[in-house]
Order: sequence, then C-alpha cells, then structure tokens
Amino acid sequence: DSGVTQTPKHLITATGQRVTLRCSPRSGDLSVYWYQQSLDQGLQFLIQYYNGEERAKGNILERFSAQQFPDLHSELNLSSLELGDSALYFCASSVGGGGNIQYFGAGTRLSVL
Amino acid sequence: AQSVTQLGSHVSVSEGALVLLRCNYSSSVPPYLFWYVQYPNQGLQLLLKYTTGATLVKGINGFEAEFKKSETSFHLTKPSAHMSDAAEYFCAVSLNFGNEKLTFGTGTRLTIIP
Repeated sequence: DSGVTQTPKHLITATGQRVTLRCSPRSGDLSVYWYQQSLDQGLQFLIQYYNGEERAKGNILERFSAQQFPDLHSELNLSSLELGDSALYFCASSVGGGGNIQYFGAGTRLSVL
Repeated sequence: AQSVTQLGSHVSVSEGALVLLRCNYSSSVPPYLFWYVQYPNQGLQLLLKYTTGATLVKGINGFEAEFKKSETSFHLTKPSAHMSDAAEYFCAVSLNFGNEKLTFGTGTRLTIIP
C-alpha cells in the first residue's frame, strides 16, 4: 500500500460528460502529480501541485483542470469528454523537490463510451 | 528537455536466468533516474532510484541498476528471474526543483518462462 488513495477505481461515462477524479496524498506529502496512462501515449505527466499552488504543467488538455485543496487532497476535472480520453489516470505524491520518490495510487480507470 | 528510451517492449527470460532491461536517457543536466514496476491492474511501485553518489543502486526484490554517465544508461538487472517478476517495468527520469515531473519510457513487459 503506497498510502496514496484514489477514488473512484472505475468510471464509465458518455462522451460530452464531465467527471471528477479524487486523490488523497500520503500523510506529510505536499506535492501531488497527475499522470495519464494510455495504450497510444504511454505514461504522460499532466500537472503538479505543491502545497496548493500549481507548480508544473505537462500535456494537459484545456478541457482538463485540477486543484489542490487546503487539506492537500487534489481533484482532476475532465470535461467535454471524448472517446480518446479513456485511460488510466494516476495520482502520485511526494514531499516535493527533485529526486524524491513519487508514490503512486492504484489509479482511476476511465471509460468514455 | 529530458527523455527516456527503453529498448525492447517485450522481454522473455527463463525462470532462474538473468534479467536485463535496458534504459537510456537524455538530459541536459544531471538527472535523477528511477525504475518502477507495474503489476496488472495496479499502480506503479518504485524498484530503485539513482540520485547522486554510488553508481550501482540496489533495489527491492533483488533488482539493481548501474548508472553509466558515459553511456547515458541505467539498465536494470536481476541475477535470477522468478515467476513473480512478470510485470511491466518503466524507466523514468526527473530533474531538479521546479522540474520534478517523471518522464517515462514506453515500458518493457517482462515474461518469465517456467
């Protein structure tokens, strides 16, 4: 058990809809990262928050947004969903800073039908 | 920008044989290097990491990796494969403060032949 909790484990929804993925980091970790894993794109970094502030942005679509709350949990919001958004979405947490281990949650599998 | 290349998307070895999974990286500054393992329907678990210091890094489950700057490589090895090693393995690189994201290779699926 990594200590990172992601909910829900599975999501099935239709095109055009909006969903919210939730992540609770390990106790004491200030940094939260979101990654997308798909067959065609592999594992891609989406966005990082550190202590409530956005720190880095990767290949995140404009239809996607995220935030980190005062209690350090994070949410990834995906809107106007398309078939191609079907993927496994991982959250990871770390204490922050280069070289520190990122601990991964079990992921949320999103299926857009 | 940093990148990772994993040679061989599929590797098969016999139980008890040497496991060698290859990883080469590209980075304009000294990188931090990681190997993660992913079992079916699970998240990623850290096997080992290299930050600074000793270039031979030992990890969990008998795995180790050697950082070779001259070859820009960080290959993963295990002397004797076990059936439980069957999984997908990802090499990743990150940089310093402010650029801590993990950039992953495309992964290598390891199959163990009984």
